[in-house]
Amino acid sequence: GQNIDQPTEMTATEGAIVQINCTYQTSGFNGLFWYQQHAGEAPTFLSYNVLDGLEEKGRFSSFLSRSKGYSYLLLKELQMKDSASYLCAVKQRGGSTLGRLYFGRGTQLTVWP
Amino acid sequence: SAVISQKPSRDICQRGTSLTIQCQVDSQVTMMFWYRQQPGQSLTLIATANQGSEATYESGFVIDKFPISRPNLTFSTLTVSNMSPEDSSIYLCSVGRQNTGELFFGEGSRLTVL
Repeated sequence: GQNIDQPTEMTATEGAIVQINCTYQTSGFNGLFWYQQHAGEAPTFLSYNVLDGLEEKGRFSSFLSRSKGYSYLLLKELQMKDSASYLCAVKQRGGSTLGRLYFGRGTQLTVWP
Repeated sequence: SAVISQKPSRDICQRGTSLTIQCQVDSQVTMMFWYRQQPGQSLTLIATANQGSEATYESGFVIDKFPISRPNLTFSTLTVSNMSPEDSSIYLCSVGRQNTGELFFGEGSRLTVL
């Protein structure tokens, strides 16, 4: 089975930096994803980590530690449009490699001016 | 990336009725996935739709309640049968990228059951 934990809500101000943590327990870990979901819209892909370390992509970075079952999403220079739910998702080894993911409950980030 | 179209985008349904959601992809894909997102919750995988074989259901979901069709490599349907208010949810169709498993989602179908 899978157990994916992330904070329910976070707030930050425009221009700040925020770190959203995700811990997971899963059998046969095979990659971790972060998705962004604005209210009323479908989730969109942000990042993918399969090896330990930091992946940087513009204002967003994602970190993974497989031994600790831990990941974080780092958002820099926050903008109002970053207000959204951020979903941590884990892929299990085995079976299909074509996208069977298990999602956390999501962290609702609110960015204030 | 894949372009995924779902319909209906939203509907209001009466208890006890059934509704079929359609998902069309702009390219051929081996597997399509159906997720549910209940109010305030994250995404839960309902089933994997395989072309040419029966769908694979996750624990807690059964074929009688959520029958799935997959007639070809670009299309799938999910039926929500004998609906109750607890079925009020957003239903999302998705496909995966081969090398990473990254998912692309349709816009979702928001069902409200009265």
